[in-house]
Amino acid sequence: GENVEQHPSTLSVQEGDSAVIKCTYSDSASNYFPWYKQELGKRPQLIIDIRSNVGEKKDQRIAVTLNKTAKHFSLHITETQPEDSAVYFCAASGTGGADGLTFGKGTHLIIQP
Amino acid sequence: DARVTQTPRHKVTEMGQEVTMRCQPILGHNTVFWYRQTMMQGLELLAYFRNRAPLDDSGMPKDRFSAEMPDATLATLKIQPSEPRDSAVYFCASGLGTGSQPQHFGDGTRLSIL
Repeated sequence: GENVEQHPSTLSVQEGDSAVIKCTYSDSASNYFPWYKQELGKRPQLIIDIRSNVGEKKDQRIAVTLNKTAKHFSLHITETQPEDSAVYFCAASGTGGADGLTFGKGTHLIIQP
Repeated sequence: DARVTQTPRHKVTEMGQEVTMRCQPILGHNTVFWYRQTMMQGLELLAYFRNRAPLDDSGMPKDRFSAEMPDATLATLKIQPSEPRDSAVYFCASGLGTGSQPQHFGDGTRLSIL
């Protein structure tokens, strides 16, 4: 089955700086890669996703890049703000998200004022 | 804003008791997922249904867990008998079951087995 590795487990950045979280996956058949943000005690919320026919996708301060050859994808947050502090999870699915997701272990992002 | 509804939000019970968690998917979504979140294992897929039919429950301990969808608006996850290691947050998510629509999560049931 699919295995998703996520790094780093904790990331601390100064407010206004950029943050990058990286994930690798094992199953070359995976074709859908969402990113979820989870605040303490809350549900995971989808913030951006990318499909394997696209190399990059951007939504305001958030962008995701995908390298199918290397089987890795990354989340980029620019101009970080205190409200960006949360745990971020990457995930992968082989059927475009129609079936179950395999999640990474999460990255605790801390924005230092 | 349509949301997945889960009940109860919190459940504390003693080991050996039966636990039932309920999920109402977003209206019109035909795929329902159950995930479990713990500190040690993270987010894990337990089972999921499409058009009320179970598609995969390989992530679920079969001897004590069962999942059903009595109708299109209700999914249930039962644990009998419950054990302390079942303590976790159980999330339900729903989606349109196509390759182009994301999964939306409910607020979860925080389960503590004493």
